[in-house]
Amino acid sequence: GNSVTQMEGPVTLSEEAFLTINCTYTATGYPSLFWYVQYPGEGLQLLLKATKADDKGSNKGFEATYRKETTSFHLEKGSVQVSDSAVYFCALRGYNFNKFYFGSGTKLNVKP
Amino acid sequence: EPEVTQTPSHQVTQMGQEVILRCVPISNHLYFYWYRQILGQKVEFLVSFYNNEISEKSEIFDDQFSVERPDGSNFTLKIRSTKLEDSAMYFCASSEEGQGNSPLHFGNGTRLTVT
Repeated sequence: GNSVTQMEGPVTLSEEAFLTINCTYTATGYPSLFWYVQYPGEGLQLLLKATKADDKGSNKGFEATYRKETTSFHLEKGSVQVSDSAVYFCALRGYNFNKFYFGSGTKLNVKP
Repeated sequence: EPEVTQTPSHQVTQMGQEVILRCVPISNHLYFYWYRQILGQKVEFLVSFYNNEISEKSEIFDDQFSVERPDGSNFTLKIRSTKLEDSAMYFCASSEEGQGNSPLHFGNGTRLTVT
């Protein structure tokens, strides 16, 4: 079946620290992979995506590389800010199916 | 940038009452979805809708739930007889394409509280 597994949170970092949030997936075929971010009281916003193996998605200093050999799509940022505090969701969607599968979300707290 | 809008932002209802949650998807999108998120938990798929019919639904989406596109712009979720466990944040989403790399665009959600 199709599923996404994320590291459990919360993750607490100091400002300017390096961030990694792990995400691995199981899927039939060749899915597209996404990271969404949810700020307090808001909906999910697309952060970045990658559509095939070895693609790197990037946005706002965040990046993630689609690794088919390890079925992973880890989110990284070199220097986090307080404003990055949010919940981050990894998700996949198959080439030939409609539904998105979401991970359980990882809460990030960045302290000044 | 076009966005998905949802109303109301917060709905309080008594157990057993009917509620209708409303959404206006992005105008050129053809695929519509409802997801829900119980406080602090996973984002759960409820239903997807295309060409005026349900294309897929989850086990959560039982006979108490229904969706409708009553006109060219609105997309609604009805819960016929609410239960306490229906309390959650309900997100509407739309997508240009129904598969592959087309992302979902989410609204800001309706917080449903059943008392």
